[in-house]
Amino acid sequence: GENVEQHPSTLSVQEGDSAVIKCTYSDSASNYFPWYKQELGKRPQLIIDIRSNVGEKKDQRIAVTLNKTAKHFSLHITETQPEDSAVYFCAAIGTDSWGKLQFGAGTQVVVTP
Amino acid sequence: AAGVIQSPRHLIKEKRETATLKCYPIPRHDTVYWYQQGPGQDPQFLISFYEKMQSDKGSIPDRFSAQQFSDYHSELNMSSLELGDSALYFCASSFKGGLARNEQFFGPGTRLTVL
Repeated sequence: GENVEQHPSTLSVQEGDSAVIKCTYSDSASNYFPWYKQELGKRPQLIIDIRSNVGEKKDQRIAVTLNKTAKHFSLHITETQPEDSAVYFCAAIGTDSWGKLQFGAGTQVVVTP
Repeated sequence: AAGVIQSPRHLIKEKRETATLKCYPIPRHDTVYWYQQGPGQDPQFLISFYEKMQSDKGSIPDRFSAQQFSDYHSELNMSSLELGDSALYFCASSFKGGLARNEQFFGPGTRLTVL
């Protein structure tokens, strides 16, 4: 099955700086890669996703890049704000599944004013 | 816009008791997923249903069972509860028939505490 690794586990950034989180996946045929933001005790919230036929996608301050050859994808947050503080999970859907999400271990992002 | 609804939001049970968690997917969504999230961990897939049939199964204990009903809501039944079952249980839904067929939207979760 699919296996997703995520780095770093914690990330502290100064407000206004950029944050980058990286993930690798094992199933070369995986074709969907979402990112979720989760605040303490709340639901994972889909913030952006990318499909395997696209190399990059951007939504305001958030962007995701995908390198299929290297089997890794990254989340970029620019001009970070205190409200960006949360746990971010990358995920992938393996081809042997009916859409179940295989999550990375998560990155705790702390944005300090 | 309507979101995924889960009930109850909080549940406290004793060891060896049973619990039933309910999930109401986003209207017109045909697929439901259940995930379990322990403290400080990522969500772990338990089981999913597509058009009322079980579509995939993950690390779900034999003590747990689930089904999806004709109105597409789903229930997760948990028996012989153990302390280790204490966790956040999320339901997510998606629509397989559309272009955005992989997008999964999560409900608010049920926090289960087993004493």
